[in-house]
Amino acid sequence: RKEVEQDPGPFNVPEGATVAFNCTYSNSASQSFFWYRQDCRKEPKLLMSVYSSGNEDGRFTAQLNRASQYISLLIRDSKLSDSATYLCVVRGNFGNEKLTFGTGTRLTIIP
Amino acid sequence: GAGVSQSPSNKVTEKGKDVELRCDPISGHTALYWYRQSLGQGLEFLIYFQGNSAPDKSGLPSDRFSAERTGGSVSTLTIQRTQQEDSAVYLCASSHPGTNSPLHFGNGTRLTVT
Repeated sequence: RKEVEQDPGPFNVPEGATVAFNCTYSNSASQSFFWYRQDCRKEPKLLMSVYSSGNEDGRFTAQLNRASQYISLLIRDSKLSDSATYLCVVRGNFGNEKLTFGTGTRLTIIP
Repeated sequence: GAGVSQSPSNKVTEKGKDVELRCDPISGHTALYWYRQSLGQGLEFLIYFQGNSAPDKSGLPSDRFSAERTGGSVSTLTIQRTQQEDSAVYLCASSHPGTNSPLHFGNGTRLTVT
């Protein structure tokens, strides 16, 4: 099993719709979690951290489910500018704190 | 403040030559990662430095690849006897110590081996 797994997509979603994707991780002792966004031919950029209680940033909501070992990202009222690849990132347990990236989920918002 | 700086931004080299890619992390960041990304593909982990600990080299694809981090700051990724399949964008990222500290990426070095 991969350490971090994501559905590669592509997800093709009409503008204004809500879209959600999950990411599963294998190490139950993983410490922290992030969502990154990567535009074509650009470096990944931090979208948001994921906190245990769930957190929201505008149209974006991130949640963590430790029992089932997954994190999710929900995008409401999607915009054309949301088209990108979304990368799930997991930090290992204490003593092995390497950050591991998923392969990314490709999202295209359709006008 | 200054972000992660990588140089050169672009490098074209002939097959068989050696190349050195440089990464200058954000000041105070103890963790430093190298990744590479081929066109249309995901990030491929290469190597991870954390403070004074031995680096995690588990992602280096062959013994032609090596990396150093001098004085806990600047890192150099060296590729010897380059091959055409080494062509990719090489990304460096650094992180402040701390559980909730995210990675900050440089703009990458686009390597083309002809």
